[in-house]
Amino acid sequence: NAGVMQNPRHLVRRRGQEARLRCSPMKGHSHVYWYRQLPEEGLKFMVYLQKENIIDESGMPKERFSAEFPKEGPSILRIQQVVRGDSAAYFCASSPGQGGNTEAFFGQGTRLTVV
Amino acid sequence: KQEVTQIPAALSVPEGENLVLNCSFTDSAIYNLQWFRQDPGKGLTSLLLIQSSQREQTSGRLNASLDKSSGRSTLYIAASQPGDSATYLCAAATSNTGKLIFGQGTTLQVKP
Repeated sequence: NAGVMQNPRHLVRRRGQEARLRCSPMKGHSHVYWYRQLPEEGLKFMVYLQKENIIDESGMPKERFSAEFPKEGPSILRIQQVVRGDSAAYFCASSPGQGGNTEAFFGQGTRLTVV
Repeated sequence: KQEVTQIPAALSVPEGENLVLNCSFTDSAIYNLQWFRQDPGKGLTSLLLIQSSQREQTSGRLNASLDKSSGRSTLYIAASQPGDSATYLCAAATSNTGKLIFGQGTTLQVKP
């Protein structure tokens, strides 16, 4: 049973380009969370999705960021017109169901560098 | 608003020592508390999860305790080894969505 798969592991984008980060949850998991870890900072929640639905996006920046989790395929975190401040490690986690008592499993992360 | 704090920020100990990492949270209404390990440039590895109704969990040389009334959790590492060197993160699930609030982490170095 493969774990949470994120790709790419490393991504370099020039300012103004778009970044697409992909996350395939563990088999049987239908709940996905995205977190961001800025340099020298802790992990911050961004968004929580179930298949085809955004449940909680309270941590998403208001502009340029969007996320989806389609019926088929991985979850995508999309950052438009990237700026240097977007450089960070982006982690995806999945869980088998909703509920505060379910355990989250994390991927290896995508490290985005904006040059 | 839930805030999670970890003390100390960094810790260096000689091999073989027993040690305790501390985590505190401001809102006792949590669903669970998880401890993770993060190696430099790597992802998060789940170590222990304590449900809100539990007091502690054990896995090998690791023991995590939870005291909701005082807003504290501790991670006890017995007989530390150089391979334990990493950053340890605690995170509280404070809503029924499973969203986690993380502490800043404690970076542990175990010297041979």
